[in-house]
This record gives sequence, structure tokens and C-alpha cells, in this order.
Amino acid sequence: KNEVEQSPQNLTAQEGEFITINCSYSVGISALHWLQQHPGGGIVSLFMLSSGKKKHGRLIATINIQEKHSSLHITASHPRDSAVYICAVKRRSGGSNYKLTFGKGTLLTVNP
Amino acid sequence: GAGVSQSPRYKVAKRGQDVALRCDPISGHVSLFWYQQALGQGPEFLTYFQNEAQLDKSGLPSDRFFAERPEGSVSTLKIQRTQQEDSAVYLCASSIGPHNSEQYFGPGTRLTVT
Repeated sequence: KNEVEQSPQNLTAQEGEFITINCSYSVGISALHWLQQHPGGGIVSLFMLSSGKKKHGRLIATINIQEKHSSLHITASHPRDSAVYICAVKRRSGGSNYKLTFGKGTLLTVNP
Repeated sequence: GAGVSQSPRYKVAKRGQDVALRCDPISGHVSLFWYQQALGQGPEFLTYFQNEAQLDKSGLPSDRFFAERPEGSVSTLKIQRTQQEDSAVYLCASSIGPHNSEQYFGPGTRLTVT
């Protein structure tokens, strides 16, 4: 079982819909990242969080440390939101607490 | 300011060729990471530098892979005698520090081995 699991793998939505992408992890972490990757493009960091909730524009990220679960929400989705969204965690302790462990990503397609 | 840059953006190599991939991190960033991303997968850790010191190379898949950062800035990932399974996007990221700092990613180099 992967240390970081995302669901769904693929998500198709209509413009304007509210979108939720989920991430579950199995290790103790110091931080969780949500990243966005456009086709052929590099990765852009959306959020880094270790507790609670963060909001940036139409994007909201939440994390529940006890349940080892995080969600990324997109309100009023737009076709330009179409991308792969990746969850990544940084382990809390141990000798390798600098490296990120990534989920496989969720491919989001927002149709006009 | 300039972000992380990588070159080349695309590289096609014939099986058995050596390739060198370059990463220019954000100026002043101490930490530099290389990741490998196979098609349809999330990135996987290859190696980590703190300044010029390679502190972790546990993710390098074989001894054909070699990375260096001689002056603590630009880094090069070299793959010798490329194989088809080396085809992937190679991502570089840098951060101010190693632990609780955000990592900034470059655009990646897409390597195709034919």
C-alpha cells in the first residue's frame, strides 16, 4: 500500500461545479503539500499545511491530522483549473524528514 | 525573481547514450532535490543536496545515475548508458532549508529513450 493515496484518480466536472480531491496518508507527517501540474509543465505549489485549513482564492485545503486525511476543494471550477493535482507529505521524524512522498495525482478536467 | 530552471526541457536519447540534465535552483536556496516522474505516476525522490553535499542518494535507481552540485548552486543529473526504463520527467526542486521550507519546482526535463 502506498504511503500516500489520492482519490479519485480521474475527475471530470462541468464549469462552476464544486470539486473535492482527497488524500490519505499512513505516516506521521510534519507537513502536507498540495501541488498542481499542468500537462507538459512543471509543478506549482498550491498549499503547504500542517493543521487546520488554508484558503487562496477559489482553492481551499483542509487537513485532519488525527485521521491522516486532507482535502483540496475548488469552488466555482473553471476550465483553466484542468490539471493534475498531487498530494505530497513530509515525514515528521526520522533521518529522511526533508524528502517529499507523493501521491499518484488526480487528473481534473473541467469542461465549459 | 527567477524560479527554478531546468535544461534541456526535452531530450531524446538512443539507448546506451549518456545524458546530462541541468538544474539552476533559486539563488540562495540551500537545498536541492531531484525527482523522477514516470508517466501517470507521482514524482519519486532520487537525491538531495544541502549546499554542495549530497546527503541522500538513496532514491537513485542504479549506479548509472549520478548527481553533483560542486559549487552548491547548479546541479547536474547524469545518466550513463540510458535504458528505455529511464524514460520519465526529471524534476528539480529547491528550498531555502531542508525541513519546513516549501519546495519550488522547475519545469522538468522530459527524457525519452528510444
